[in-house]
Amino acid sequence: DQQVKQNSPSLSVQEGRISILNCDYTNSMFDYFLWYKKYPAEGPTFLISISSIKDKNEDGRFTVFLNKSAKHLSLHIVPSQPGDSAVYFCAARTSYSGAGSYQLTFGKGTKLSVIP
Amino acid sequence: KAGVTQTPRYLIKTRGQQVTLSCSPISGHRSVSWYQQTPGQGLQFLFEYFSETQRNKGNFPGRFSGRQFSNSRSEMNVSTLELGDSALYLCASSLSGIATNEKLFFGSGTQLSVL
Repeated sequence: DQQVKQNSPSLSVQEGRISILNCDYTNSMFDYFLWYKKYPAEGPTFLISISSIKDKNEDGRFTVFLNKSAKHLSLHIVPSQPGDSAVYFCAARTSYSGAGSYQLTFGKGTKLSVIP
Repeated sequence: KAGVTQTPRYLIKTRGQQVTLSCSPISGHRSVSWYQQTPGQGLQFLFEYFSETQRNKGNFPGRFSGRQFSNSRSEMNVSTLELGDSALYLCASSLSGIATNEKLFFGSGTQLSVL
């Protein structure tokens, strides 16, 4: 049962255009969402996050949108740059079995290629 | 500031063996969490340690265990290795961990191959 889904394994975008990466989730108990970027042979690096009580968060070229009714999360990168080419993971946090215990669930990732 | 260091970088084992992976967090970080990355399942959360105590746990069998030392360094152990355990194992550190929504700092991972 995959609770966090990134349905597009790959995405190609022209440099300077907008990249939109999507993430769907099924668990309404997720309270926090994050995006990480991963280059080959490196660990993931944090990009941006959003609390479930918000619907938008911006940080420079990166904006995350949350649609709770649709259980949908998206990451917008504007303008896209060749250095953005990487695998992007969305992740969601939920608590379980009592107060103070949390679990992170990741999607399988979307490989973004930004074409110069 | 030095980043998160994982050793070894690559490891080859055979079925039935056990393996121990090591993770040194960023200085001052007390939380270390572990993840398994495979092509089929993506990135999956294993567990998190904070101040030498396991605080959070994912849905992995008991063959996967870990510990954290007083200097916050952490080890992950997998016993009775199976072919399906072949994966990139990542650790991440943060000051206070998943519960506080802090961003995680990941190491480059240990690539484990089980033959």
